[in-house]
Amino acid sequence: QKEVEQNSGPLSVPEGAIASLNCTYSDRGSQSFFWYRQYSGKSPELIMSIYSNGDKEDGRFTAQLNKASQYVSLLIRDSQPSDSATYLCAVTNNNDMRFGAGTRLTVKP
Amino acid sequence: NAGVTQTPKFQVLKTGQSMTLQCAQDMNHNSMYWYRQDPGMGLRLIYYSASEGTTDKGEVPNGYNVSRLNKREFSLRLESAAPSQTSVYFCASSEARGFSDTQYFGPGTRLTVL
Repeated sequence: QKEVEQNSGPLSVPEGAIASLNCTYSDRGSQSFFWYRQYSGKSPELIMSIYSNGDKEDGRFTAQLNKASQYVSLLIRDSQPSDSATYLCAVTNNNDMRFGAGTRLTVKP
Repeated sequence: NAGVTQTPKFQVLKTGQSMTLQCAQDMNHNSMYWYRQDPGMGLRLIYYSASEGTTDKGEVPNGYNVSRLNKREFSLRLESAAPSQTSVYFCASSEARGFSDTQYFGPGTRLTVL
């Protein structure tokens, strides 16, 4: 069974703080890793993709991948109330995509 | 560009009824996908199509059939609906064949089976 695990939260941070979201996966053959954001009642939208070990930065978002530890994370700097949403980790190989159940983030003004 | 569109937005069925969920994309993408999302379980892949004319099973295909009608359209059919199929269904598409690329999601269909 290929599993993707996330802390369901809720994770609550004050406005302006760093939010740290974590994800572990079981399939060592996984090749591509994605973070999607989903607002309540809406569809998922891509935040970040990462394919190789290390950090990838895009504006306030940084994705970190460690394939040896089977771990991928998302850091959100200077968190804003508009970042309040559920964040889904997705892990793929050539044949399949598996999503975690998501972490619900609340950013308090 | 409408992106990925889905119809209907909401549907209520009785056990045993059939229906087809429609999905279309206008981005000239090669791959299309159907997912279901249940509370606390994230998204689960039902079927996907890596190119026109091909379809493959995902993690939870039982009780569903699909048709890749052309490059734009990918439909999901429930032949005999069951209460366990109550869920939110998302269609998605991506440019690449397979799973290595960003997927773009439609707005979803909220299905209730009584």
